Formats: sequence, structure tokens, C-alpha cells
Amino acid sequence: ETGVTQTPRHLVMGMTNKKSLKCEQHLGHNAMYWYKQSAKKPLELMFVYNFKEQTENNSVPSRFSPECPNSSHLFLHLHTLQPEDSALYLCASSQVLQGSYNEQFFGPGTRLTVL
Amino acid sequence: EDQVTQSPEALRLQEGESSSLNCSYTVSGLRGLFWYRQDPGKGPEFLFTLYSAGEEKEKERLKATLTKKESFLHITAPKPEDSATYLCAVQEYSGYALNFGKGTSLLVTP
Repeated sequence: ETGVTQTPRHLVMGMTNKKSLKCEQHLGHNAMYWYKQSAKKPLELMFVYNFKEQTENNSVPSRFSPECPNSSHLFLHLHTLQPEDSALYLCASSQVLQGSYNEQFFGPGTRLTVL
Repeated sequence: EDQVTQSPEALRLQEGESSSLNCSYTVSGLRGLFWYRQDPGKGPEFLFTLYSAGEEKEKERLKATLTKKESFLHITAPKPEDSATYLCAVQEYSGYALNFGKGTSLLVTP
């Protein structure tokens, strides 16, 4: 595997389900990100992990719960979602050097549909 | 108020017809401006980073330029495979986030 991989690529879930999205980066980076991409809207940053520590949480509802067990893996745990949470969820990684967050490399995304 | 505004929203070009996409931004301190290409159903693909006004970068038929208020992505003699959505993002010194524009959807017809 190369670059940033995400699984599953597509997910359909009911509002009462619990599911998890997985991201793995093979680039040796030390920072990882979750973004949400909805139709006609810019990408929205959800969470940032730098050296496995969460450094940013952009007022994301608690029904989204991130987990970063090591610098290569990132999860997004989902529970009791709403239909408006349907979107493309993108994972990205970058190399942080002396506080400078450089270009981010994205995975292919998980297309989530909440019924 | 949007920090990053891209125009036009959509652009249709004939193969070989050169044009430019615009990204205007309002930030207090720019650490970097990033251009990405996104194909349908895929994640954004990194193209360029620009750090200071006057900087230019080129890759094949694409050339990105930066001023203190905007960036342009020039597409010279485009081909149908250049069809995609082009995203612009800025990063400020004060934070970690990339703030994205809504993108320009480019269609190049044969």
C-alpha cells in the first residue's frame, strides 16, 4: 500500500448504528486529519492529530469520536448520526516540522450515507 | 465571511483553449497557499504550495502564481484529462488548518 488509504470506501448506516472509519498513512508523516466534504461546501476540518495528540477539534458534535493509536493510523467512530451527516469523509496526513504544517496528502475518502 | 473565494465556480474550455482560475483570500498572516486537484469520487491530489508573493510554480500544463491577495492557476493548452475540480486552500501562521475554497469545476471538451 502507498499513500493514504481509507476503509470502507462506502458506508450506509442507520441513525442508531455504530460504525468506524479507518485511515492509514504509509508516508511516514507525524500529523493526521479528518475532513468532511459536503456538496456545494468547502472541505471542513474536523480533527487534527499531531504526534498522536489531538491538537484541534473544530466544534464537531460528540457523535463523532476520533482515535489515533499511533502516527500511522486514525479512526473516526460514528454513533447516532443524523441524515445531514451524510458526506464524503476524507483523511489526510502531513509532516510537521518545527511547528510548520506542510502540504497535506489525502486518502480517497469514505462516502457515508445516513438513512 | 469566506476566507477563500474561488472563481469561476465552473469553467468549460475547448481542448487547447488556455485560461486561468482565481483564488482570492483574506488572512492576517499567510503561511502557505495550496492548490489541489480533485476527481469525482476521489480525494484531493496535491499540486502546488506557494509561500510568498511573486512566487510561481509549474507542473506540465499548470502554472500557479501568488500575489498578496490572490493566486491564479493558469492552464495552458488544456486536454480533456485536465477536467477536474481545482481546490485552493490557505494556511495561516496562527493555526494548523487548511481553509479551503469551494473549488472550480473545470470541463475540457475535445
